[in-house]
Amino acid sequence: DARVTQTPRHKVTEMGQEVTMRCQPILGHNTVFWYRQTMMQGLELLAYFRNRAPLDDSGMPKDRFSAEMPDATLATLKIQPSEPRDSAVYFCASGFLLSGANVLTFGAGSRLTVL
Amino acid sequence: QQPVQSPQAVILREGEDAVINCSSSKALYSVHWYRQKHGEAPVFLMILLKGGEQKGHEKISASFNEKKQQSSLYLTASQLSYSGTYFCGTEREGQGFSFIFGKGTRLLVKP
Repeated sequence: DARVTQTPRHKVTEMGQEVTMRCQPILGHNTVFWYRQTMMQGLELLAYFRNRAPLDDSGMPKDRFSAEMPDATLATLKIQPSEPRDSAVYFCASGFLLSGANVLTFGAGSRLTVL
Repeated sequence: QQPVQSPQAVILREGEDAVINCSSSKALYSVHWYRQKHGEAPVFLMILLKGGEQKGHEKISASFNEKKQQSSLYLTASQLSYSGTYFCGTEREGQGFSFIFGKGTRLLVKP
């Protein structure tokens, strides 16, 4: 059963620390998304890659967030420095294009708490 | 640009029906529906690609009116397992099939 793997599942850190979240997409999927979920804002799109190329990061705070895909098996989302308002669940999703539309499989999420 | 969902929350008794609506101010190429149970990740339900298209998943079906830029999700004879948050999603225009979600509709089915 193919799945998207995210690490860590839970992270508690102090304000100002660097946080790196990792995602292993499903083999064969060529799109990767990062979303942030909070009660107030729902699922916010942070970054989108297709064939490892970044196509949309308009929802990502550029001053502290960065997203990369160093290879086809790894996507990373980094926050430096972290702030309490970054506390949320971060989801990675990988997908494939079906008739020009993305069909996504989500990872289990990384729950981040910044104190 | 974010699709708008209504209602925000619904409470049903088992066996009752519900409709969740999704609309956009932008022209839609496709509409997707996902369901997220508490503490879990969203799970894909269905995708609609054509105007007026309808699809089904168990007793859950959906329609897509391309001209009105609207989609509706129909839950028939609801079961306890239908409880969760339902999200509609659409392609972000001009961003290479980037994908954004509405804020979700919370559905609770009671015995």
